[in-house]
Amino acid sequence: SQELEQSPQSLIVQEGKNLTINCTSSKTLYGLYWYKQKYGEGLIFLMMLQKGGEEKSHEKITAKLDEKKQQSSLHITASQPSHAGIYLCGAPISGSARQLTFGSGTQLTVLP
Amino acid sequence: SAVISQKPSRDICQRGTSLTIQCQVDSQVTMMFWYRQQPGQSLTLIATANQGSEATYESGFVIDKFPISRPNLTFSTLTVSNMSPEDSSIYLCSASLAVGETQYFGPGTRLLVL
Repeated sequence: SQELEQSPQSLIVQEGKNLTINCTSSKTLYGLYWYKQKYGEGLIFLMMLQKGGEEKSHEKITAKLDEKKQQSSLHITASQPSHAGIYLCGAPISGSARQLTFGSGTQLTVLP
Repeated sequence: SAVISQKPSRDICQRGTSLTIQCQVDSQVTMMFWYRQQPGQSLTLIATANQGSEATYESGFVIDKFPISRPNLTFSTLTVSNMSPEDSSIYLCSASLAVGETQYFGPGTRLLVL
């Protein structure tokens, strides 16, 4: 079965600093989702990447998909306390599936 | 996009009882899913809720324990039966409009079993 490994598991940064979270798959990626979760709450959709080399940005968050490396990265520029939370990557379990498998998450803390 | 609501948002239940969680989507969707997130863990897919037919369960999950209904294209329920403390988790439903479309999640139901 496909496994997604996220790194780092947790991250503490000072407000204003940049940071990167990585998500590496054990198998071919058929797209990659990034979500943010506040403690004990639901998932907020951030971005979906479907093609190798694709890069998307929303406000200060940029995500890239490297299909060859079976990897995606999420980069936050000039972090703010509002960026704090758990970031989860998810990927379809197969090319035709919509069911997702998830990484273990990265806990981000932004210190004011 | 799709807006998904869940009821209840949280509950505390006694061992041996059952709880039914409702999931409502504000538009018709082709597929709906139920996930579980145990404390400190990531999400695990329980089953795919199929409209008008039996749900498709993932390995380790069975219909007797997690019966699912999906009477139409906007609504689904998940029942957690004969609960034990190990069932304490956040249960989330999700939906996508079509293949390749974004998958949206509900706010989750926090369940604590005593």
